[in-house]
Amino acid sequence: EAGVAQSPRYKIIEKRQSVAFWCNPISGHATLYWYQQILGQGPKLLIQFQNNGVVDDSQLPKDRFSAERLKGVDSTLKIQPAKLEDSAVYLCASSLGDRATNTGELFFGEGSRLTVL
Amino acid sequence: RKEVEQDPGPFNVPEGATVAFNCTYSNSASQSFFWYRQDCRKEPKLLMSVYSSGNEDGRFTAQLNRASQYISLLIRDSKLSDSATYLCVVRLNTGFQKLVFGTGTRLLVSP
Repeated sequence: EAGVAQSPRYKIIEKRQSVAFWCNPISGHATLYWYQQILGQGPKLLIQFQNNGVVDDSQLPKDRFSAERLKGVDSTLKIQPAKLEDSAVYLCASSLGDRATNTGELFFGEGSRLTVL
Repeated sequence: RKEVEQDPGPFNVPEGATVAFNCTYSNSASQSFFWYRQDCRKEPKLLMSVYSSGNEDGRFTAQLNRASQYISLLIRDSKLSDSATYLCVVRLNTGFQKLVFGTGTRLLVSP
């Protein structure tokens, strides 16, 4: 079974530029998550989708970050304009839904590593 | 106060040693608890769930103390391959299911 796919794996941009990350979850997984993991810290939830609706975006810096999940499958996360403190790994994860969240099993992609200069 | 707190380490132990990590959580309404493992520059993966009665999976034992709001992970007979960061994860029900990750505890097992 194919895992969670993310691209690009690495991106280097200058501050004030924009960047977009793409995620394709495991087939059939209704819930999709974007996490930000800064070096030395645990993953921090940015946004959680249930199908194509937003469940939680309370920690998403909405002045610069946006995310969408069209048709309830793929998702994109955009940052515009980027700041130095956005340097992090952006992890996409998926799960079957609330039942899987009960088991705690999220399936993560390999992440997109962003460096902002 | 952070919702989930862990000692970042690193914990340096020799092969064969027993090592334990603790994690504390602030929300008494936390419902479920898990340990994830994250290898260097890799994605996190579920290691094990933590049940109220405590549970064991091979060399790994997880325990929960709801009264004191902490979770522990014990690793016996450490292997070099156990070197990784161990993330404590708490499930909250805030109207929807939400998983909150701790900062992780780094373990280094040396020969």
